Amino acid sequence: AQSVTQLDSHVSVSEGTPVLLRCNYSSSYSPSLFWYVQHPNKGLQLLLKYTSAATLVKGINGFEAEFKKSETSFHLTKPSAHMSDAAEYFCVVSDYTGRRALTFGSGTRLQVQP
Amino acid sequence: DVKVTQSSRYLVKRTGEKVFLECVQDMDHENMFWYRQDPGLGLRLIYFSYDVKMKEKGDIPEGYSVSREKKERFSLILESASTNQTSMYLCASSLRGSSGNTIYFGEGSWLTVV
Repeated sequence: AQSVTQLDSHVSVSEGTPVLLRCNYSSSYSPSLFWYVQHPNKGLQLLLKYTSAATLVKGINGFEAEFKKSETSFHLTKPSAHMSDAAEYFCVVSDYTGRRALTFGSGTRLQVQP
Repeated sequence: DVKVTQSSRYLVKRTGEKVFLECVQDMDHENMFWYRQDPGLGLRLIYFSYDVKMKEKGDIPEGYSVSREKKERFSLILESASTNQTSMYLCASSLRGSSGNTIYFGEGSWLTVV
């Protein structure tokens, strides 16, 4: 069985400061991991994904995440927050043990203060 | 550009009505999914389909059915809508075969049952 825990339901940062959104996972197999972003009243957009290649993954809009197997973590970071980053972020794990594919975290709402 | 289109963005239906939510993807994906998203509960899988005419129950299939007559189209059906089905519904699609395949989401359908 697989599971995902997003450690913070809300994160608030000031514009121009770093962003850290934390995600821990559990999986019986070698998982693939994703971060998705959801802006208000929109669907989910892929930010980045890890699929057993490089452990440091770069995504869109300056985001990156590092897969740490020993810590079972996949935290999302960005060096400098922008107002347009305000959204909800979902960490997702897939180990494809069945056809269900994905398990979603509960989401982290990022607020960016001017 | 990849596209998952949910034709109805906002619907208001009465209790007991039959409701159809339509989803079309233009990427020739084998897998299609229906999720519902509720505050505090995250995304929950209702049904998914891995091929035409094939379907499997997700985590919360009660009160819903689906239809996949063509590869590009996946319909969610509420046979008799109830107020507890008021929610945001998200359709998604992906290629089959690897846990690392990206899942692409539509913009969502907001359903209110009164």
